[in-house]
Amino acid sequence: DGGITQSPKYLFRKEGQNVTLSCEQNLNHDAMYWYRQDPGQGLRLIYYSQIVNDFQKGDIAEGYSVSREKKESFPLTVTSAQKNPTAFYLCASSLGINIVTGELFFGEGSRLTVL
Amino acid sequence: EDKVVQSPLSLVVHEGDTVTLNCSYEVTNFRSLLWYKQEKKAPTFLFMLTSSGIEKKSGRLSSILDKKELFSILNITATQTGDSAIYLCAAIIQGAQKLVFGQGTRLTINP
Repeated sequence: DGGITQSPKYLFRKEGQNVTLSCEQNLNHDAMYWYRQDPGQGLRLIYYSQIVNDFQKGDIAEGYSVSREKKESFPLTVTSAQKNPTAFYLCASSLGINIVTGELFFGEGSRLTVL
Repeated sequence: EDKVVQSPLSLVVHEGDTVTLNCSYEVTNFRSLLWYKQEKKAPTFLFMLTSSGIEKKSGRLSSILDKKELFSILNITATQTGDSAIYLCAAIIQGAQKLVFGQGTRLTINP
């Protein structure tokens, strides 16, 4: 079945450690996105990528890094520079560089807790 | 700064009630507005609204956009416990490859 797979679903880390969240899609979508969701704040865009080997900062990119070496994969690293990393992280993809159909397809999310 | 605001943030009703969720937006170069339902983890797409005054309907859910007053509403009639979820609205900015999301409305339907 086509879809977006995020892993791990739950992750605990000690403060100061870098963490990498995986996002893989087999929908053949060009565009991929990372969002952070905190209670009462909706979804905020961290990074997005429209094409392989290219990505742009979103609204809250500080303390995060990404790569897009393959079309199917868009991993997110939460670095020790991120001051408040505990959150629910959602990866999404869409068909092309313009969100014309409105459908962002979301993964099931990764919940990161920093102790 | 582009902004999308939803209200109420939380709503608890009884099964069978009708609810109206609100979404207002202030964005430059507005293109369309989207509604998503998030039950547990992954948000699922409900509606995309681009034209003002045209109601979109899917079963007991309907939505409409007012581009003059810069808001949209999502109506759910004859609510069921399965409608319990967070409802998110988001604005698409013309020429941008990203969405601006509101805070979400957490809807709880009690039996």
